Amino acid sequence: AQSVAQPEDQVNVAEGNPLTVKCTYSVSGNPYLFWYVQYPNRGLQFLLKYITGDNLVKGSYGFEAEFNKSQTSFHLKKPSALVSDSALYFCAVRPHAGGTSYGKLTFGQGTILTVHP
Amino acid sequence: GAGVSQTPSNKVTEKGKYVELRCDPISGHTALYWYRQSLGQGPEFLIYFQGTGAADDSGLPNDRFFAVRPEGSVSTLKIQRTERGDSAVYLCASSLLGRAPTGGYNEQFFGPGTRLTVL
Repeated sequence: AQSVAQPEDQVNVAEGNPLTVKCTYSVSGNPYLFWYVQYPNRGLQFLLKYITGDNLVKGSYGFEAEFNKSQTSFHLKKPSALVSDSALYFCAVRPHAGGTSYGKLTFGQGTILTVHP
Repeated sequence: GAGVSQTPSNKVTEKGKYVELRCDPISGHTALYWYRQSLGQGPEFLIYFQGTGAADDSGLPNDRFFAVRPEGSVSTLKIQRTERGDSAVYLCASSLLGRAPTGGYNEQFFGPGTRLTVL
């Protein structure tokens, strides 16, 4: 069975500072990894994904994430946070080879990011 | 182009009633997914379709829940004899889906959700 852990319920940073939102995963075999963001009263929006290749992936709105296979982590990062980045962030995983479940995404519980002016 | 749409946006019903939630995926997307999100939690998988058939319904909590996608486009999630514990936001997503078993690399695009409240 696959699982995702986001160890921090909340992350607070000052505007202009770098931010990190942590994610670790457990899956059989190689993973596909995704980050989504959810703004209040809006649906989940895709940010970025790791499929294969370069461990550092870049996504929307200046976000990036680093895949670390040995630590089974996929932390979300941004060099300089904006107040408008304040939202709920979800990490999600799928296995490369999941049998009939290969389409299914498993999400973490989410991390609330608050960027202070 | 249009994104994933879901109707209604809000549904309030009484315990024991039947409800239907509708999802209209992005045109051309072969796969459609249903998730349920309770307050303070991440989305939980319910079922997904590849075309018209349910490829994986392992997340449906019990036999009161059923979903269909008869023409491979619009899908309806049906809940019979609703209970207060069914209250949640029901999310629909769609994607292109590559060939099994390794084709799950495409991102899913989510609709705004239907907030179901069972009184």
